[in-house]
Amino acid sequence: EDKVVQSPLSLVVHEGDTVTLNCSYEVTNFRSLLWYKQEKKAPTFLFMLTSSGIEKKSGRLSSILDKKELFSILNITATQTGDSAIYLCAVLNAGGTSYGKLTFGQGTILTVHP
Amino acid sequence: DGGITQSPKYLFRKEGQNVTLSCEQNLNHDAMYWYRQDPGQGLRLIYYSQIVNDFQKGDIAEGYSVSREKKESFPLTVTSAQKNPTAFYLCASSIVTQETQYFGPGTRLLVL
Repeated sequence: EDKVVQSPLSLVVHEGDTVTLNCSYEVTNFRSLLWYKQEKKAPTFLFMLTSSGIEKKSGRLSSILDKKELFSILNITATQTGDSAIYLCAVLNAGGTSYGKLTFGQGTILTVHP
Repeated sequence: DGGITQSPKYLFRKEGQNVTLSCEQNLNHDAMYWYRQDPGQGLRLIYYSQIVNDFQKGDIAEGYSVSREKKESFPLTVTSAQKNPTAFYLCASSIVTQETQYFGPGTRLLVL
């Protein structure tokens, strides 16, 4: 059974801090790992990672994948109150009976105080 | 203006009642999905559909049913057999099943 575990489950920081969110996975046929941000409603897409060691960056957010150790990290630098959200990690399965299936972790609740 | 819409925003279900959640997309995506989100848990897959007139069960399909008669629509029915239906339901779509999924705004289902 595919499994995705995120840590920490919750995190409270002050504006300006840097945070690192972790995601480890076990999946039978890995295709890619995705990060989403969820603020009350629909998760919004952040990154899709397919190859090891290649950092993806968008403003203050960056993410990298390690396919050997089966984990990914999401970094947020100079955090702002608008970064407060649930961050979801998900792994996309490439084959077999789970073809195309996205398995989600529990999410990390990030709270940024002014 | 392309996107995914879900309705209603809030839905109340009485005991023994079937209710249907709507999901429509105008992104011309082939694949569509239904997830359930409970507090403290990630999203769990209920059903997904790769093409019109075809769908597969996800991890928690019991007590739910779907149809895919049109490319843009993928309604989810929560039947009376689903004993714990209170949750946040999210619909998603992707160009094909191996690509990034994009989510609708969700429907919150509550049991009276």
